[in-house]
Amino acid sequence: DAGVTQSPTHLIKTRGQQVTLRCSPKSGHDTVSWYQQALGQGPQFIFQYYEEEERQRGNFPDRFSGHQFPNYSSELNVNALLLGDSALYLCASSLGGVETQYFGPGTRLLVL
Amino acid sequence: GENVEQHPSTLSVQEGDSAVIKCTYSDSASNYFPWYKQELGKGPQLIIDIRSNVGEKKDQRIAVTLNKTAKHFSLHITETQPEDSAVYFCAASRGGTGRRALTFGSGTRLQVQP
Repeated sequence: DAGVTQSPTHLIKTRGQQVTLRCSPKSGHDTVSWYQQALGQGPQFIFQYYEEEERQRGNFPDRFSGHQFPNYSSELNVNALLLGDSALYLCASSLGGVETQYFGPGTRLLVL
Repeated sequence: GENVEQHPSTLSVQEGDSAVIKCTYSDSASNYFPWYKQELGKGPQLIIDIRSNVGEKKDQRIAVTLNKTAKHFSLHITETQPEDSAVYFCAASRGGTGRRALTFGSGTRLQVQP
């Protein structure tokens, strides 16, 4: 049983560019949450998707947007990249009704 | 919103000793408290979790205790081994439906000296 997978593993962008990160949840999971983890910090909640809609959102600007597909996979898009967006972006999946969230390996984004 | 504080930020122990990491939370409605272990270059891995209707939970060398009145919970690792070296994060959420954001502490870097 494959766990949560994310792609790409690493990404380098320049300020002002746009980026798309991808996540496939664990088999059978229907809910995907995205977190941003700055170096030396704990993960911070960005937003959560289930039933193909954004259901909860953390304190992140509208430059951060997402999408969930019918197969439950998800994308995170970040527009107008800033240097401060450099971080590890984590995807976590869960099954509605169960609190447990399982994390993927993350995508490390570097903005120059 | 919820705020989770975690300490210590670093912890060094000798192999075989015990390690304790403590967290406090602010939202009295939080009722789900997982602990994650994160190794270098990897995503957080769930190691144990506890719900507010339970005061203590144990899984082999790992245990978690919860004090709802004081709003704090702790991770206890006994008989530490070098492979326990990693960063540990506590988190809290208002569980129930499973579709709740996790609020994380700032992490504890545990180093187990052989």
